[in-house]
Amino acid sequence: NAGVTQTPKFQVLKTGQSMTLQCAQDMNHNSMYWYRQDPGMGLRLIYYSASEGTTDKGEVPNGYNVSRLNKREFSLRLESAAPSQTSVYFCASSEDAVSGGFFGPGTRLTVL
Amino acid sequence: GENVEQHPSTLSVQEGDSAVIKCTYSDSASNYFPWYKQELGKGPQLIIDIRSNVGEKKDQRIAVTLNKTAKHFSLHITETQPEDSAVYFCAASYGHDMRFGAGTRLTVKP
Repeated sequence: NAGVTQTPKFQVLKTGQSMTLQCAQDMNHNSMYWYRQDPGMGLRLIYYSASEGTTDKGEVPNGYNVSRLNKREFSLRLESAAPSQTSVYFCASSEDAVSGGFFGPGTRLTVL
Repeated sequence: GENVEQHPSTLSVQEGDSAVIKCTYSDSASNYFPWYKQELGKGPQLIIDIRSNVGEKKDQRIAVTLNKTAKHFSLHITETQPEDSAVYFCAASYGHDMRFGAGTRLTVKP
């Protein structure tokens, strides 16, 4: 079991470029999440997918889009990257809303 | 929306001592309270959780208490070991929208 995998591990973008962060889980979990982590601010929820076919905004959705491709995969897209989106991005999955999330190893994104 | 505050931001203890981290939340509807441990360069790892219908939960050296009336919950680590050194996050949620505290950096000195 790989758990939650994320690609890429590191990425450097120029302002205005676009990219997609990929996430996959092999635990047959229903729910998947994207968080960003900034120094001193804990983790903030960007978007989540409670179940296959649904997505909802979290605390900080502006500038991002998501796609729940199937039960295993949940991608995060930055259409026009900005320096304020420099952060570490974590994908997580859980069985339901009251089960602890399993986190991936993260993607460190720098926007110049 | 929910707001979670976590204290202290840093905590240093001697090996074998106990460590306590406290969190408060603002939304009385929150019903799930997990705690995560994050080591350098890794993703957070769930270490214990508690639901709103339970006041206390224990797992070996780790325990969590919840006071719904006061809207605060705490993590207790007994007999600390150097490998307990990490950043710990509390969180609170109602549904899928989970809010995290800012984290506590715990250092256990041998």
